[in-house]
Amino acid sequence: EAGVAQSPRYKIIEKRQSVAFWCNPISGHATLYWYQQILGQGPKLLIQFQNNGVVDDSQLPKDRFSAERLKGVDSTLKIQPAKLEDSAVYLCASSLNPNTEAFFGQGTRLTVV
Amino acid sequence: QKEVEQNSGPLSVPEGAIASLNCTYSDRGSQSFFWYRQYSGKSPELIMFIYSNGDKEDGRFTAQLNKASQYVSLLIRDSQPSDSATYLCAVNNNAGNMLTFGGGTRLMVKP
Repeated sequence: EAGVAQSPRYKIIEKRQSVAFWCNPISGHATLYWYQQILGQGPKLLIQFQNNGVVDDSQLPKDRFSAERLKGVDSTLKIQPAKLEDSAVYLCASSLNPNTEAFFGQGTRLTVV
Repeated sequence: QKEVEQNSGPLSVPEGAIASLNCTYSDRGSQSFFWYRQYSGKSPELIMFIYSNGDKEDGRFTAQLNKASQYVSLLIRDSQPSDSATYLCAVNNNAGNMLTFGGGTRLMVKP
């Protein structure tokens, strides 16, 4: 069974530029999560989808971050414009449903300079 | 108060000892509890999940859940240097959404 796929693995951008991350969850997984993990901290939930609907986005900085999962399968997370403090690893995870275990992709390491 | 709290460590144990990792959570109605291991530079990987009060054993790992006291723990028996990693506790809230992680505990197992 294929795991959660994310791309790109690494990205370096200048502040005020925009960037997009892509995630393809495990087949059949209805729940998809985007997390931000700053070095030395635990993952922080940015947004959670159930199929193509948003379950929670209370910690998503909506003035600069956006995410979509239009067909209920793969998802895109965008940052525009990026700030220095957005430097982090962006992790995508998926699960069969919100109460079952989540499996993570390899993450995208973003550096904003 | 953070929703999920862990001691950041590092917790240092000698090889072969039992490592005990603890986690407390604030949402009394939480239903699902998970332990993940994260090696430096890697993504979190699931170790165990527990839904009911009591103990759940899987090989060298035992998860313990006490909903009345709102804590969940992970015991690692016969600790090995390869167990050295950050251990993340995750809790699913009462509504069945928002899988929230603690800050993680760094475990160091010394040969």
